[in-house]
Amino acid sequence: NAGVTQTPKFQVLKTGQSMTLQCAQDMNHEYMSWYRQDPGMGLRLIHYSVGAGITDQGEVPNGYNVSRSTTEDFPLRLLSAAPSQTSVYFCASSYSINFGGPVYGYTFGSGTRLTVV
Amino acid sequence: EDKVVQSPLSLVVHEGDTVTLNCSYEVTNFRSLLWYKQEKKAPTFLFMLTSSGIEKKSGRLSSILDKKELFSILNITATQTGDSAVYLCAVHQGAQKLVFGQGTRLTINP
Repeated sequence: NAGVTQTPKFQVLKTGQSMTLQCAQDMNHEYMSWYRQDPGMGLRLIHYSVGAGITDQGEVPNGYNVSRSTTEDFPLRLLSAAPSQTSVYFCASSYSINFGGPVYGYTFGSGTRLTVV
Repeated sequence: EDKVVQSPLSLVVHEGDTVTLNCSYEVTNFRSLLWYKQEKKAPTFLFMLTSSGIEKKSGRLSSILDKKELFSILNITATQTGDSAVYLCAVHQGAQKLVFGQGTRLTINP
């Protein structure tokens, strides 16, 4: 199993450009999330999805869009890149056995290092 | 506001020492607390804790949760240089959200 696959691994954008960070998982997990990691701030949740067709905002959603058309894929779109979006982005997937119960198998992709100049 | 606070933020010890990393939290709808180790790339899972007072162990690493006092500790005994990493604490709360602490950067000197 590949687990969680993110592409690209590195990207440099100019201010105002748009792009999509790709995330795919092959574990049939229903939950998927996007986080950004900045120095000294841990990981912060951008958007998450509890299943195909269902997405919701996390802690820092502004400037980002997501969609979940399939269980496997959860792309993150930057609409108009800004230097403040320079960060490392991680996609994660997980599952639960009972609704409202513990979540298991939390697996992170290897990350995308994005620089906006 | 939900928050997770880790301490210390940075720790330097010698190989063979024992270290204790701390994680305190204030979140709504607590489901579980997770510990991760992060080296160069993605965080890798260490433990998930859901019940108070039950120690989880994996080799030289162990962790315990206190849901009354709202904290967890991660212990590493007989540290090795390969234990050098950032250790992240996260609390799973509510609808599929992980709230992370800032991380503890652990450096093990030979």
